[in-house]
Amino acid sequence: SAVISQKPSRDICQRGTSLTIQCQVDSQVTMMFWYRQQPGQSLTLIATANQGSEATYESGFVIDKFPISRPNLTFSTLTVSNMSPEDSSIYLCSVEDKGGYEQYFGPGTRLTVT
Amino acid sequence: KNQVEQSPQSLIILEGKNCTLQCNYTVSPFSNLRWYKQDTGRGPVSLTIMTFSENTKSNGRYTATLDADTKQSSLHITASQLSDSASYICVASNNAGNMLTFGGGTRLMVKP
Repeated sequence: SAVISQKPSRDICQRGTSLTIQCQVDSQVTMMFWYRQQPGQSLTLIATANQGSEATYESGFVIDKFPISRPNLTFSTLTVSNMSPEDSSIYLCSVEDKGGYEQYFGPGTRLTVT
Repeated sequence: KNQVEQSPQSLIILEGKNCTLQCNYTVSPFSNLRWYKQDTGRGPVSLTIMTFSENTKSNGRYTATLDADTKQSSLHITASQLSDSASYICVASNNAGNMLTFGGGTRLMVKP
């Protein structure tokens, strides 16, 4: 299994600012993903973080709003830009094991935008 | 459109009782069906994964069933404990693993 840590665990931010969330994995993984979980809702995939190339975004999510970095096989960042209260959510990092069978989730970052 | 629907949305049971959570999915082509447990303020943790050829899988007091013909799955929790209070999320995968469709979850509360 993979052990995933995220920083920060939670934050309260003002409208119009940006927050960068870090995701660190204890082993090298090919596939890393970023999810959003809005209050009372299930998970929605934001993008796949690709090492060495641009992230692949899902419909409804754009790079200008959610820029992603993936400098190596154990680390990724997600930035939530120009935040509004609608961005208040839990943001989760996830990785896939080498067999592509199991997916592990980080503890999440709880973001509140005021 | 790929969809996963779970029922009930929420459930309250007494400690020691059993319960069954339901999941219906329309995902094609279907690869596997997963159940995750998500404690409040934490990320989801995998309970079971079943491919289309498996119809039951257990993990301790958790037993998942899968009927690939009717596209239904259930998660049965035996002798519930207070620590079982969490959201249970059903997830259907339609390829090797990175095309997941999430259900809305069932919020389970176990009371003493």
